[in-house]
Amino acid sequence: SQTIHQWPATLVQPVGSPLSLECTVEGTSNPNLYWYRQAAGRGLQLLFYSVGIGQISSEVPQNLSASRPQDRQFILSSKKLLLSDSGFYLCARDSRGHEQFFGPGTRLTVL
Amino acid sequence: AQRVTQPEKLLSVFKGAPVELKCNYSYSGSPELFWYVQYSRQRLQLLLRHISRESIKGFTADLNKGETSFHLKKPFAQEEDSAMYYCALSPYGGATNKLIFGTGTLLAVQP
Repeated sequence: SQTIHQWPATLVQPVGSPLSLECTVEGTSNPNLYWYRQAAGRGLQLLFYSVGIGQISSEVPQNLSASRPQDRQFILSSKKLLLSDSGFYLCARDSRGHEQFFGPGTRLTVL
Repeated sequence: AQRVTQPEKLLSVFKGAPVELKCNYSYSGSPELFWYVQYSRQRLQLLLRHISRESIKGFTADLNKGETSFHLKKPFAQEEDSAMYYCALSPYGGATNKLIFGTGTLLAVQP
């Protein structure tokens, strides 16, 4: 099994509040992990990727941060949410065949 | 700059009609190209990749390096093809298989 879990599934948060989205993967060790955001009219944008524990690369400057405290856990965070952080957040992992497998996503609405 | 362009946000066709979803890319090297699909209430998943040169669910895509295009085609659309389609590029080399996505095209197949 190469299951990817994300929670929560949906989240409504006020502007200025903190954020923590969690992604866990099963069935593989030392996966490359990714956070994407799907915003209205903007497609899927890569936010962060990680090749191992404690190793985070940021693709775009933003109000968010990521951490990888365990091999199969990838967390997306913010200290103070902005309206522009609203969107659909997808966690993904890749395989040796370069295919990426995606989680079910988290719908974040910032009010 | 690395970029994937999908010029159509929405493509509506009738069942049995041919389908072509356009994708153009900008990349200085030789990328790997993919088509991902998201059916209603399902996860984003890989449809096909250019190096496989295979037909999946009747869809094919040919990489045209001269025109830097990777259009997705199907000769006879089916209602179950209705979904969101994303073209994606993965740069060769590096430690990851991160993807650069287009903005997506919603395919609606009418009965």
